[in-house]
Amino acid sequence: EVQLVESGGGLVQPGGSLRLSCAASGFTFSTYAMHWVRQAPGERLEYVSAITSSGSSTCYADSVKGRFTISRDNSKNTLYLQMGSLRAEDTAVYYCASLNRPFYIYWGQGTLVTVSS
Amino acid sequence: DIVMTQTPLSSPVTLGQPASISCSSSQSLVHSDGNTYLSWLHQRPGQPPRLLIYKISSRFSGVPDRFSGSGAGTDFTLKISRVEAEDVGLYYCLQASQFPYTFGQGTKLEIK
Repeated sequence: EVQLVESGGGLVQPGGSLRLSCAASGFTFSTYAMHWVRQAPGERLEYVSAITSSGSSTCYADSVKGRFTISRDNSKNTLYLQMGSLRAEDTAVYYCASLNRPFYIYWGQGTLVTVSS
Repeated sequence: DIVMTQTPLSSPVTLGQPASISCSSSQSLVHSDGNTYLSWLHQRPGQPPRLLIYKISSRFSGVPDRFSGSGAGTDFTLKISRVEAEDVGLYYCLQASQFPYTFGQGTKLEIK
């Protein structure tokens, strides 16, 4: 059974940092590109960042570019999102996701990040 | 990055009636292997999205046959033949033909 389990969310002050992790199991993690997607309360999904299977290429939404860093450790089957200079508008549930063709589309349950003083 | 645009953003429908959602991409989604990796996802409140349709028109395991997908190139459609109460929520189209894989803004399906 495929599982993606996010952790590391919580309450952080504006300007602070947080590191999210996503532990993957049940599939060959090292062969799949991975994504972080977020959803603010009551809002729609928003793409945050993506990384290729080897980690050699990464992409970011303009809203987080320069503040967030995606990475992965294929030996640990784990995806990371290092978030810095956090703002109130970064408050959201953060999902780790495999969005791979043709139908390897898996989502974690999400971890809530709240940026507030 | 490929931009995915959905219409409408909100769709009030009557139970038992059909519904249709459109999705267009900023460039062709035909992959070099000849396939078109366009999927549709459904998200209920408080839950992560789940896969409904992949490769334009293939229903994922367990998805009712009232859901169907069609289209080609840059224009795609999801149809629900007869809307049921459990179909409410957000629908997203997703392209996995070109990295990074991107999705539309979402269409909110609600019951009139």
